[in-house]
Amino acid sequence: AQTVTQSQPEMSVQEAETVTLSCTYDTSESNYYLFWYKQPPSRQMILVIRQEAYKQQNATENRFSVNFQKAAKSFSLKISDSQLGDTAMYFCASHTGANSKLTFGKGITLSVRP
Amino acid sequence: EAQVTQNPRYLITVTGKKLTVTCSQNMNHEYMSWYRQDPGLGLRQIYYSMNVEVTDKGDVPEGYKVSRKEKRNFPLILESPSPNQTSLYFCASSFHRQGAETQYFGPGTRLLVL
Repeated sequence: AQTVTQSQPEMSVQEAETVTLSCTYDTSESNYYLFWYKQPPSRQMILVIRQEAYKQQNATENRFSVNFQKAAKSFSLKISDSQLGDTAMYFCASHTGANSKLTFGKGITLSVRP
Repeated sequence: EAQVTQNPRYLITVTGKKLTVTCSQNMNHEYMSWYRQDPGLGLRQIYYSMNVEVTDKGDVPEGYKVSRKEKRNFPLILESPSPNQTSLYFCASSFHRQGAETQYFGPGTRLLVL
């Protein structure tokens, strides 16, 4: 069974600064995918970034990047130049190929202060 | 526009009154899934479907039914709702092939069972 752990329930960052959200996972699969989803107050689930486990290069999407440490089973999200619109709950998730199941962490609430 | 739609978006009902939440996608995705989101628990999978007439239980299937008679639709049925099914529900869909597993979410359905 897969598990995803987000140990920090809340974080706060000053606008324009950088923040890192932590995530660890456990899986017995050799081929898997990892995701970060953003959930703003509207409750919509928005894909932020994805990482294929077989790729050594860390994924990057504009101000969002990940630090993927496969041996440590760690998948942190770095947000650079934080903006007020980044205020949201962020979920880390892992994907198994067998049944395409997404396993989510409990989420972290990020607040960006003006 | 490629999207996943859910209806209704908000629903208040009473214990025991059967209800159906509809989900439809226009991306020709094979895979569809239902999740529920509860505070402090993240999102948990209820049921999923890998294609027409192929459905299976997720982590929390008790009290729910699904059907997949058409590729684009995947309704969630609560035969006899109870207060512990008060939650935020998400439908999601994706292709079911390697490299295309990103799941796209509907806007959510907020259900209150009195």
